[in-house]
Order: sequence, then structure tokens, then C-alpha cells
Amino acid sequence: DVQLVQSGAEVKKPGESLKISCTSSGYSFTNYWIGWVRQMPGKGLEWMGIIFPSDYETKYSPAFQGQVTISADKSISTAYLQWSSLKASDTAMYYCARGESTPPYFDYWGQGTLVTVSS
Amino acid sequence: EIVLTQSPATLSLSPGERATLSCRASQSVSTYLAWYQQKPGQAPRLLIYDASNRATGIPARFSGSGSATDFTLTISSLEPEDFAVYYCQQRNIWPPAFGGGTMVEIK
Repeated sequence: DVQLVQSGAEVKKPGESLKISCTSSGYSFTNYWIGWVRQMPGKGLEWMGIIFPSDYETKYSPAFQGQVTISADKSISTAYLQWSSLKASDTAMYYCARGESTPPYFDYWGQGTLVTVSS
Repeated sequence: EIVLTQSPATLSLSPGERATLSCRASQSVSTYLAWYQQKPGQAPRLLIYDASNRATGIPARFSGSGSATDFTLTISSLEPEDFAVYYCQQRNIWPPAFGGGTMVEIK
């Protein structure tokens, strides 16, 4: 079975750094894009960016370019979403998801990682 | 950037009724449009891709239609588990985008 398992909820202070993870199993990790989607409390879905683990090609939505870093480690089938300096406005649920082609539709999703940024 | 506008924002219907959800793009996305369902506390689930193709395991009561700028998701007869929020997403032009969502609620 295809599974994407995300790291647990995080509570951070403004200005702190954070790296959350998404570990895939049940398929060939290097053959599919992994994307990240933000959902702020009570709001809709926002496309952040994608990475192709085979060659680490990364693409960002303009709204998130420079705000986050997407990376991956194909040796452990894991993708990451990273912040260098969190803001209160980064408080949200973050989903990773898998897709073919570029840009992809997402056919399998992780369970989500809740990030809370508060002083 | 392409903007996807979904309407209505909320649809109040009873089980067994037909639901018709709309997604309008600010410019043509050809047929590169998907629909997702999201229930409270859950990740989204892919329902329809390329405007009219059901994803694996999706019941036949869900159907999609449209092209260019106007798309429709139809649920032929609402089951209790179908009350949720529905999002469209385009992948024709970078950056990809989601619509704002339509909540289908029990009347």
C-alpha cells in the first residue's frame, strides 16, 4: 500500500527554525513528485511547491518562493519542508502529497503536520 | 496566475439529492483540472482528474465535466458520507492553484 507518513505536531516560537518530514513507502519514491500544501486554520488549500526525488528538481509557487525550502533524501524515501525563521502567520496544517507529471495532481496524501507558531 | 473561483460557497442539500458544484478558471486550463474532497480532520482525497476521469476507488455517483474555463462536479445522489468540502485544482499553467472550496452541508 502507498503511504506517506508525516512527522508529528510542532509548537515553536517566532524566529525559530523548523524542518518537518514526509516518509513514503509502498511505491518507487524516485518516480513521483512530492508536493507540500498549506491549510491555514479554517481556510482552503494552498499549493506551496514540489520536488522530484530522482534528481531533486524543485519548483515553488511564487507566494512561497524564498519563504520555505523543500528538500528530499532519496536514500530514506523522505521529503522535507523547512523554515529558517518562523512567523506567527506560518501557523497551519501542512500536507505532503504524491503526484505524477509536473505539475501534478495529488493522488496520495500524508496525514498532515500541524505547526503552531506562538510566543 | 490562474484564479479558480468555486460556487456556491455553501450548498445545503438533503441525502439523496443531486449536487452540482462549479469551478471557473480566470483563463483556459484545457482539461487539466482535478476535484478533491476533504472531510473535517482529514487530508484531501482525489476524486476526479483531467476534468472527467474518476480516480481509483471513487464511486460512480461522482462525475466531472467541462473544459477551458468552466467545470462542474456532480454528485448524482448524495450519501451521508459525501457531506464535505470540495476543491478544484488546475495544473495547466504554473503555478498550480486550488479553488476556494465549496462546502456541501446537510440541509
